[in-house]
Amino acid sequence: KAGVTQTPRYLIKTRGQQVTLSCSPISGHRSVSWYQQTPGQGLQFLFEYFSETQRNKGNFPGRFSGRQFSNSRSEMNVSTLELGDSALYLCASSGRGPEQFFGPGTRLTVL
Amino acid sequence: DQQVKQNSPSLSVQEGRISILNCDYTNSMFDYFLWYKKYPAEGPTFLISISSIKDKNEDGRFTVFLNKSAKHLSLHIVPSQPGDSAVYFCAASYYYGGSQGNLIFGKGTKLSVKP
Repeated sequence: KAGVTQTPRYLIKTRGQQVTLSCSPISGHRSVSWYQQTPGQGLQFLFEYFSETQRNKGNFPGRFSGRQFSNSRSEMNVSTLELGDSALYLCASSGRGPEQFFGPGTRLTVL
Repeated sequence: DQQVKQNSPSLSVQEGRISILNCDYTNSMFDYFLWYKKYPAEGPTFLISISSIKDKNEDGRFTVFLNKSAKHLSLHIVPSQPGDSAVYFCAASYYYGGSQGNLIFGKGTKLSVKP
């Protein structure tokens, strides 16, 4: 089975812009979660989608949003980018079990 | 408030010896624990997990031990190999609302295995 894929791998944006990141889960997995990794805060949960519905949400401002499509692919969007949004954004998918399998991440740099 | 803590930021061991990575948690609702390995610029790779109804789980060179009364788990790698050098994250979750919740991660321990 192919693993979780994320596009793009690297992105450079300026403050105030918006960005959309994409994630394709492992085939057959219906749950997709997003995490942010920064040196200071570590890995923090953003939100989870299951069958096109947001099932769980972390403690991030409303500028961070996401969605899931009928084929389980997911996107996350960050609007009005701030310098502090520079991070590695990780997508993870899970099937029946509680284990989550991560993609390679998208490295976002905000200038 | 950190619910999952990895108090050792780094650990150095000799090739062939045992590596022991530790993790403590505070939330007694956690019922599933996982270990991930991460190389720079890559996503975390799932290594091994354990349910709260067990106290030990083995997979090849990796063994995870869970001590629920102490709210402590550890990952043992035997024998350690240079390729094991990476950052190891402990994560926990609990079941609620009809699904296993999100993962809550520790800050990680950087393991260096010296030849």
